[in-house]
Amino acid sequence: KNQVEQSPQSLIILEGKNCTLQCNYTVSPFSNLRWYKQDTGRGPVSLTIMTFSENTKSNGRYTATLDADTKQSSLHITASQLSDSASYICVVSAQGNNRLAFGKGNQVVVIP
Amino acid sequence: NAGVMQNPRHLVRRRGQEARLRCSPMKGHSHVYWYRQLPEEGLKFMVYLQKENIIDESGMPKERFSAEFPKEGPSILRIQQVVRGDSAAYFCASSPGQGPFNEQFFGPGTRLTVL
Repeated sequence: KNQVEQSPQSLIILEGKNCTLQCNYTVSPFSNLRWYKQDTGRGPVSLTIMTFSENTKSNGRYTATLDADTKQSSLHITASQLSDSASYICVVSAQGNNRLAFGKGNQVVVIP
Repeated sequence: NAGVMQNPRHLVRRRGQEARLRCSPMKGHSHVYWYRQLPEEGLKFMVYLQKENIIDESGMPKERFSAEFPKEGPSILRIQQVVRGDSAAYFCASSPGQGPFNEQFFGPGTRLTVL
């Protein structure tokens, strides 16, 4: 079983609308969680990083939340733009090592 | 400061040939990671290297795959006698140090197609 599960697998939203992506993880002991954006044909780019003590962090129109007790995170996209069409990957790090646990990604398609 | 560079961006090989994928980390980064991504799948860790040393190769297939990060020059991921199942996108990432708080910066990937 994958240590990082994301939902929904894919979604289509209208330009200007908001959406929320979910990430559940079992990685332990937890160190930090990052959301990456991966455009088609490109490498992933980090959007946010959150540690155990952080509940929310924003990067422009992207807002990530973290509940370390329930081991859940979300990424909220506000006022979506066509350029937001991408895969959003939840990546969790464990304490004490360099290994990253990757989710399969949420594929977002923004249509005009 | 150029980002992580990978070449070639696209590589086509016939079954049985060798594939060499190159990765130049960001300036000042001495830690390199290789990942494989299959369609509809998440990135899978393959190997973690520091200059001239393999630190963790637990994600590498036991046969046909090897990686190196020489003192001079790029890191190389080498796949011998490629098979169709090796077709995937291979991403390299680099970081300035070790530990979970050192962000890994990803290259654009090499898309390998085995005919």
